[in-house]
Amino acid sequence: NAGVTQTPKFRILKIGQSMTLQCTQDMNHNYMYWYRQDPGMGLKLIYYSVGAGITDKGEVPNGYNVSRSTTEDFPLRLELAAPSQTSVYFCASTVLPLYEQYFGPGTRLTVT
Amino acid sequence: AQSVTQPDIHITVSEGASLELRCNYSYGATPYLFWYVQSPGQGLQLLLKYFSGDTLVQGIKGFEAEFKRSQSSFNLRKPSVHWSDAAEYFCAVGLLYSGGGADGLTFGKGTHLIIQP
Repeated sequence: NAGVTQTPKFRILKIGQSMTLQCTQDMNHNYMYWYRQDPGMGLKLIYYSVGAGITDKGEVPNGYNVSRSTTEDFPLRLELAAPSQTSVYFCASTVLPLYEQYFGPGTRLTVT
Repeated sequence: AQSVTQPDIHITVSEGASLELRCNYSYGATPYLFWYVQSPGQGLQLLLKYFSGDTLVQGIKGFEAEFKRSQSSFNLRKPSVHWSDAAEYFCAVGLLYSGGGADGLTFGKGTHLIIQP
């Protein structure tokens, strides 16, 4: 039982490039989330999903896209990378009514 | 708007001393309340959570937290800290809706705990 896994761990992008951050969970959780963490700012919700085929915007969705074709996977897509997207990205999952979120190890992204 | 406030950005405590980290929230109803810990370069680990029942909850690693509805607070405590407790601590809140759904958690900005020998 690996929990929540994220790839890659680190990535450097040039402005305008695109990439996909991968997230997989093996706990059969229906809820999955993407957060970004900036220094001194806590975590902010980008997108979340309540199940396969259902996604919704969080607090800071601009510049990102998501899809959820399976229960296990919840990839986050950056289409035109900008320096403002330099951050650490965390994926998390949960099942209701427990609600405690299990976090992956994070992806540190730098856009230059 | 929903918000979570952790008023202390940094706290320095001597090893063996007691610890209290403060958290206040602003929500229309009593939310689920969580404390997470993040070691450098790591993901977040759940310390404890509260939704209902006994207002003093016990967590892992010897931590506890007390919910005070009248003060909209959920402060984290530990009677005696260890050097390994040095980390970033986040308070978070979330709501379960009457229809059974939920969205993401709202996090405070975190408190950086430094342990002095």
